[in-house]
Amino acid sequence: GAGVSQSPRYKVAKRGQDVALRCDPISGHVSLFWYQQALGQGPEFLTYFQNEAQLDKSGLPSDRFFAERPEGSVSTLKIQRTQQEDSAVYLCASGPGNNYGYTFGSGTRLTVV
Amino acid sequence: AQSVTQLDSQVPVFEEAPVELRCNYSSSVSVYLFWYVQYPNQGLQLLLKYLSGSTLVKGINGFEAEFNKSQTSFHLRKPSVHISDTAEYFCAVSGGDYKLSFGAGTTVTVRA
Repeated sequence: GAGVSQSPRYKVAKRGQDVALRCDPISGHVSLFWYQQALGQGPEFLTYFQNEAQLDKSGLPSDRFFAERPEGSVSTLKIQRTQQEDSAVYLCASGPGNNYGYTFGSGTRLTVV
Repeated sequence: AQSVTQLDSQVPVFEEAPVELRCNYSSSVSVYLFWYVQYPNQGLQLLLKYLSGSTLVKGINGFEAEFNKSQTSFHLRKPSVHISDTAEYFCAVSGGDYKLSFGAGTTVTVRA
């Protein structure tokens, strides 16, 4: 596609529910990132993939967060047993390589009630 | 580790007036610097980036920024703003390891 597509755009989850957020990167992009943006804050790094390999997951806030990119294209961010503090916009970005030419998606706004 | 401080959380400005958004960074290594814009309910769009070379960087939509190593700053400027420049602006830094560290953002509101 022409850009990075994220779905759903909005997700409301009850506390304790599991959620899955999807990212479709630009075709052929090797690098893929997930960022978390809390209300009124800048995005914070969660995890980084190069093709299907997850090279850095140092930003994942707890073991309830899990990300995968099994075929090196679409990625899924899964949050288990959601908590209120998980409420945020989750941004996905992709890039052709390590040249900082990243394209961000519009994000998924997660609200945990 | 790298970090960014955006010195102004909100900047109101009149249409056709100039604007400057201030950004200071801290880093123990060489840095790459970025400015992104975020319109409501949209993702981040890259305005400009400094990787190396000339310290004056020109970006899209008439924006420019100057890298000042001695003052550890990367301020964003536009000589004449439009209503459509109303948005959130984020400064970001990377130490060359692909991760971006963002500031808290500056909300620019352009008034007629």
